[in-house]
Amino acid sequence: AQTIHQWPVAEIKAVGSPLSLGCTIKGKSSPNLYWYWQATGGTLQQLFYSITVGQVESVVQLNLSASRPKDDQFILSTEKLLLSHSGFYLCAWSLWGNYAEQFFGPGTRLTVL
Amino acid sequence: AQSVTQPDARVTVSEGASLQLRCKYSYSATPYLFWYVQYPRQGLQLLLKYYSGDPVVQGVNSFEAEFSKSNSSFHLQKASVHWSDSAVYFCALSPPGTGSNRLTFGKGTKFSLIP
Repeated sequence: AQTIHQWPVAEIKAVGSPLSLGCTIKGKSSPNLYWYWQATGGTLQQLFYSITVGQVESVVQLNLSASRPKDDQFILSTEKLLLSHSGFYLCAWSLWGNYAEQFFGPGTRLTVL
Repeated sequence: AQSVTQPDARVTVSEGASLQLRCKYSYSATPYLFWYVQYPRQGLQLLLKYYSGDPVVQGVNSFEAEFSKSNSSFHLQKASVHWSDSAVYFCALSPPGTGSNRLTFGKGTKFSLIP
């Protein structure tokens, strides 16, 4: 069975500090991977997607970057956090191909003060 | 461009009553459509999906949804709700043929039961 793990579970960070959030998928090779951001009480906005190692496409510019260093790992980061970065970050995976629904991880709650 | 509209920010019914959550979409062709549920402080879980064919699709926990091309809608329904159904429900669409599976979400409908 596939499992998706996100770390950390929650973070409280200061404005201007760096950030690194991680996501790991086990039990599935070469998945498509996605990062989403959800403002408190809001909808989900897709930030990045990746179809293969080393290749990441940006969907929305939020002064964040993403990398896929391994087939099963997706990293979201920034060197300088903004207050507007607060929210819930969700990682998701899907199979490649047309009929491929996305499956979401448990999320990381980020509070920027 | 595509969009999803969930016109009801909140829906409240009594336990055992029926539920309908509305979803309207805008897309130039027939998209792939999904309903997801989010329980407090958790990720999203897929309830059901529509790709093509029978417009009524069955999902988990006795949820079903009906696709209507003429109305550009994909409403979610359940015959009898329980306390455990209290959550936020998101409707989403994906353009067919996009290998990246880009999902566009609605703003969500918060469903709760009358105590």
